[in-house]
Amino acid sequence: DAMVIQNPRYQVTQFGKPVTLSCSQTLNHNVMYWYQQKSSQAPKLLFHYYDKDFNNEADTPDNFQSRRPNTSFCFLDIRSPGLGDAAMYLCATLAGGPGYNEQFFGPGTRLTVL
Amino acid sequence: GDSVTQMEGPVTLSEEAFLTINCTYTATGYPSLFWYVQYPGEGLQLLLKATKADDKGSNKGFEATYRKETTSFHLEKGSVQVSDSAVYFCALSAYNNNDMRFGAGTRLTVKP
Repeated sequence: DAMVIQNPRYQVTQFGKPVTLSCSQTLNHNVMYWYQQKSSQAPKLLFHYYDKDFNNEADTPDNFQSRRPNTSFCFLDIRSPGLGDAAMYLCATLAGGPGYNEQFFGPGTRLTVL
Repeated sequence: GDSVTQMEGPVTLSEEAFLTINCTYTATGYPSLFWYVQYPGEGLQLLLKATKADDKGSNKGFEATYRKETTSFHLEKGSVQVSDSAVYFCALSAYNNNDMRFGAGTRLTVKP
């Protein structure tokens, strides 16, 4: 089945220790998103890629970076995690183009910062 | 800018009760409207959607009708089950825009 996969599902890191979260998709969608979600609040968009074009939200901290080496994969790098970065991180994809605006979400990675 | 306002939670119901979660939106043009559901520890799953006025989305006994005149997309289910306990998000996306706007989410708990 075509899907969005996130690894790992649970990640524990130490304060200040860099961490990378992974997302892959078999949908061949043009657009990939990273969201941060705390305590079942609405997901907060961090950034997205439309193909190779990177779009950063204005209030996304510099501590968060992303890479998209190819259509299928997208990574979220947190350079120096703080306690406030503990959250669920959701990856989503979108086919792109007018009328194709349903986002498909992965299961999420829950990040714990010790 | 575009935005979504949904009913504050939490909502607690007994099994087989009727459910309504209100959602209203503000948008220019003709957005698509969505309800996503999030079960504990999981990502968001699309529950239903509607892409134009008067469309009714339905899935798993849930329904929502796109009402342009009242800018609403209320979620309803006639008889909830314990397994429906989750957080529900109303969302919109403009026709030619890749961004999605989410409501704050409504936590539903269904008791046996």
